[in-house]
Amino acid sequence: EAGVAQSPRYKIIEKRQSVAFWCNPISGHATLYWYQQILGQGPKLLIQFQNNGVVDDSQLPKDRFSAERLKGVDSTLKIQPAKLEDSAVYLCASSLYRSDTGRDEQFFGPGTRLTVL
Amino acid sequence: GENVGLHLPTLSVQEGDNSIINCAYSNSASDYFIWYKQESGKGPQFIIDIRSNMDKRQGQRVTVLLNKTVKHLSLQIAATQPGDSAVYFCAENIPGTYKYIFGTGTRLKVLA
Repeated sequence: EAGVAQSPRYKIIEKRQSVAFWCNPISGHATLYWYQQILGQGPKLLIQFQNNGVVDDSQLPKDRFSAERLKGVDSTLKIQPAKLEDSAVYLCASSLYRSDTGRDEQFFGPGTRLTVL
Repeated sequence: GENVGLHLPTLSVQEGDNSIINCAYSNSASDYFIWYKQESGKGPQFIIDIRSNMDKRQGQRVTVLLNKTVKHLSLQIAATQPGDSAVYFCAENIPGTYKYIFGTGTRLKVLA
């Protein structure tokens, strides 16, 4: 089974520029997450989708970040305009419900490493 | 991702020894926890989980211990191998949500 795909893997931009990241979740996974992982820290949830609807975007800086999941499959995360502090790895994950735990198990993509100069 | 563990606490162990990685969680109401392994250039990978109605769970070469009294988790890796070198994160599930809060992580270095 193919895993979560993300592109690009690396991106370098200057501050105030715009950037977009793409995620293709595992087929059949209804829930999709975007995380921001700053160097030396654990991933922080930015937004969670259930199919094409937003479940939680409480930690998404909405003045500059936006995300969409049209048709409930692929998703894009955009930053416009970027700031220096946005330099991080952006991880996408999709999840599958496990009946033994009653929880969703998340599968992460390799991430996109963003450097803002 | 790459260099994700640059400034993290580091545990160095000799190949073949046992490793113990610790984690303190924040929410006393959290009832489900996961340990993830993150290798350089990759996303976190599920290792083992535990529900709050248990205090110990064993997998293949890994054991997770949960102490709810002091809000502490540990991950024990038996007979540590070079392939175990990675950054390890604990994550707690926020009750009633699908949301997880990740700890800061520990870098494990296995010495040959």
